[in-house]
Amino acid sequence: EDQVTQSPEALRLQEGESSSLNCSYTVSGLRGLFWYRQDPGKGPEFLFTLYSAGEEKEKERLKATLTKKESFLHITAPKPEDSATYLCAVRGGSYIPTFGRGTSLIVHP
Amino acid sequence: EAQVTQNPRYLITVTGKKLTVTCSQNMNHEYMSWYRQDPGLGLRQIYYSMNVEVTDKGDVPEGYKVSRKEKRNFPLILESPSPNQTSLYFCASSGESLPYEQYFGPGTRLTVT
Repeated sequence: EDQVTQSPEALRLQEGESSSLNCSYTVSGLRGLFWYRQDPGKGPEFLFTLYSAGEEKEKERLKATLTKKESFLHITAPKPEDSATYLCAVRGGSYIPTFGRGTSLIVHP
Repeated sequence: EAQVTQNPRYLITVTGKKLTVTCSQNMNHEYMSWYRQDPGLGLRQIYYSMNVEVTDKGDVPEGYKVSRKEKRNFPLILESPSPNQTSLYFCASSGESLPYEQYFGPGTRLTVT
């Protein structure tokens, strides 16, 4: 059974204070690890897909990395508008993706 | 604009009164899914469809039905809603090739009293 564990559950940062979110996973035959951003009351918005260990992707202040057991979402010099819940999901051999419970990020000005 | 639409966005109903939440996508995606999201439990998949007339159960299918008669539409049916189905529901779609990411609708907040 595929499993995804995200940590921490909640993270408070000051504007400009860089940090990382963790996504630990177990999956049979990884077809993709996904990061989404979700604002309150809205649908998740796709950020990145990573396919193999060692892969990295960047978008503005966000950088996602992948190892065989975990993924990190690094946030460099965050701004208040980066406040959101960040979701990690994996897709293995079946079509049913497994989501983690998310990390709620608050960035204070 | 590529998008997934859901209707209604908000719904308050009573126990046992059948309801349907519609979902439509304009990206010609093969895969469509329904999720519910509850505090502390995260996103859980209810049903998914790999193409027209092909549907299968997700993690929490009890009390729900779906149909896929057209590629663009994937309605969620609650034939006899109960209070434990009060939740935030999302429809999502994705293509069958890389990068497999899902596009989510704006959500339907359902309250069953």
